[in-house]
Amino acid sequence: NAGVTQTPKFQVLKTGQSMTLQCAQDMNHNSMYWYRQDPGMGLRLIYYSASEGTTDKGEVPNGYNVSRLNKREFSLRLESAAPSQTSVYFCASSSSSYEQYFGPGTRLTVT
Amino acid sequence: KNQVEQSPQSLIILEGKNCTLQCNYTVSPFSNLRWYKQDTGRGPVSLTIMTFSENTKSNGRYTATLDADTKQSSLHITASQLSDSASYICVVSDPGGYNKLIFGAGTRLAVHP
Repeated sequence: NAGVTQTPKFQVLKTGQSMTLQCAQDMNHNSMYWYRQDPGMGLRLIYYSASEGTTDKGEVPNGYNVSRLNKREFSLRLESAAPSQTSVYFCASSSSSYEQYFGPGTRLTVT
Repeated sequence: KNQVEQSPQSLIILEGKNCTLQCNYTVSPFSNLRWYKQDTGRGPVSLTIMTFSENTKSNGRYTATLDADTKQSSLHITASQLSDSASYICVVSDPGGYNKLIFGAGTRLAVHP
């Protein structure tokens, strides 16, 4: 039981490049989330998926797209990376209870 | 605006000492409050979750308190260990639903030998 896994762990992009961050959970959770964490700030919600087949914007969705591929997988895509998207990205999942379980994070640098 | 604020931003204590971290929130209506521990380079891990009706909850050497009237919470760490060095994040449920959360910026705790 791996919980929430994320790939890659680290990534360096040049401005304008695109990439997809992958997230998978093996806890049979309905809801999944993408957050970004910047120095001195709390985690901010980018997008979430309350259940398979649905996605909704969070607090900071601009510049990102998501896909809920199936119940297990939720990917985050940067179509044209910008330096302002340099951050640590966390995926999380939850069932109907309060608990959210977080992945180990992806550290992204955009130069 | 719904916000969660934590103090202090950072704290250094000696191994074996106790400490208390503070959290104030302006989220309304209130549903539940959580404390997470985040080790460097890792994702947050839940320590406690408290609902409106709970005012104290313990998890080993960690004790969280909640005063829903004053909208304050604290996390008390007893007999600190070097492994307690981490960021501690206070989180309140967003009234917007779907289990969305509002995060504080965290308190970075360093425990020195």
